[in-house]
Amino acid sequence: AQSVTQLGSHVSVSEGALVLLRCNYSSSVPPYLFWYVQYPNQGLQLLLKYTSAATLVKGINGFEAEFKKSETSFHLTKPSAHMSDAAEYFCAVSSNTGNQFYFGTGTSLTVIP
Amino acid sequence: DVKVTQSSRYLVKRTGEKVFLECVQDMDHENMFWYRQDPGLGLRLIYFSYDVKMKEKGDIPEGYSVSREKKERFSLILESASTNQTSMYLCASRSGLAGVRETQYFGPGTRLLVL
Repeated sequence: AQSVTQLGSHVSVSEGALVLLRCNYSSSVPPYLFWYVQYPNQGLQLLLKYTSAATLVKGINGFEAEFKKSETSFHLTKPSAHMSDAAEYFCAVSSNTGNQFYFGTGTSLTVIP
Repeated sequence: DVKVTQSSRYLVKRTGEKVFLECVQDMDHENMFWYRQDPGLGLRLIYFSYDVKMKEKGDIPEGYSVSREKKERFSLILESASTNQTSMYLCASRSGLAGVRETQYFGPGTRLLVL
């Protein structure tokens, strides 16, 4: 079965600092990977997705993620944190049939002014 | 723009009540999903549907049932609500045409409190 692991349930960064949210996947076949963001009391919004076209994926709001097969990782980064980035972030992997997404447990990002 | 709407943002029910959560999508998507979200557990799939009247159990179907009579609407039913079903419920939809690469689009969620 496929799964993703998000290291660090809470991450705090200063405004303007680098954001790094970690995600490792477990998959026996090339996966399709997704990052979602959830703002307070809202649903999930897609940030970006990897579908094997390019290993460096750019998303909305200045976020990007790099697929590294050798490390089975798909970490999310943003060069400079903004206060509006404070939210919960979820990594997800799509099953082979695509019927199911398997979500990580989420990382709560706090941005300190 | 894909729009997924859920009938209620907040709901308070009593133990033993029958609860209906409604989800509607406007993009003619084949696939629809119900998740529950709990702190520290992420999102867990309850049921999904890949076509009208078709459904499959997800990881935690116990205590829930679903109904999909029309393509745009997917209902989650708690036959007899219990306090351990207090949670945030998220509906999602996805086109079935592109297969595994396709994104799931989420509704705003329903926060259910069972007293």
